[in-house]
Amino acid sequence: GESVGLHLPTLSVQEGDNSIINCAYSNSASDYFIWYKQESGKGPQFIIDIRSNMDKRQGQRVTVLLNKTVKHLSLQIAATQPGDSAVYFCAENGGGSQGNLIFGKGTKLSVKP
Amino acid sequence: DAGVIQSPRHEVTEMGQEVTLRCKPISGHDYLFWYRQTMMRGLELLIYFNNNVPIDDSGMPEDRFSAKMPNASFSTLKIQPSEPRDSAVYFCASSFSRGRTDTQYFGPGTRLTVL
Repeated sequence: GESVGLHLPTLSVQEGDNSIINCAYSNSASDYFIWYKQESGKGPQFIIDIRSNMDKRQGQRVTVLLNKTVKHLSLQIAATQPGDSAVYFCAENGGGSQGNLIFGKGTKLSVKP
Repeated sequence: DAGVIQSPRHEVTEMGQEVTLRCKPISGHDYLFWYRQTMMRGLELLIYFNNNVPIDDSGMPEDRFSAKMPNASFSTLKIQPSEPRDSAVYFCASSFSRGRTDTQYFGPGTRLTVL
């Protein structure tokens, strides 16, 4: 029979619109969070990070929001461009000192020209 | 800096053959991670090292998989014997632990196809 692949949540936006990608993290002890972007055929690339002592951090066209009360992380992309089309992963550090990260399943962003 | 370097970028082999994937982390990084990515399971952590010492290998699927880090600038992931279900993209990543920054930087991956 057919194998069932991982069904990624998909967000489809029009070029020029703002995008919001959401992530629910798992460990309340996590104190460091990262967003990665993975384009087809490439490895995940670091976009932006945030520590738990902050609730918002801005980069170039990207903003990360952290809500520790509900363990929620979001990535906002302003004026989305076709080059933003990719799979976006959130990651958390689990609060430990071991150096490893816990990755989410990812969200696929498709930008319509 | 050249970033994390992986080789080969693509590998096609037949079932039963030995496969060796290679990774050169970013200079100065003290953590090295091996991941596997498939459509079925997404991104899975296989094993990671700190200062060349394996810290957690609980993600290694079975005894057919082994990883070594003989020095700070080189690591290998070996599969012997390989099976079709090992077909995946294998990523190496590295990070620097000072200041509790756990950002991992990924290589381009090795796409493995086992026939």
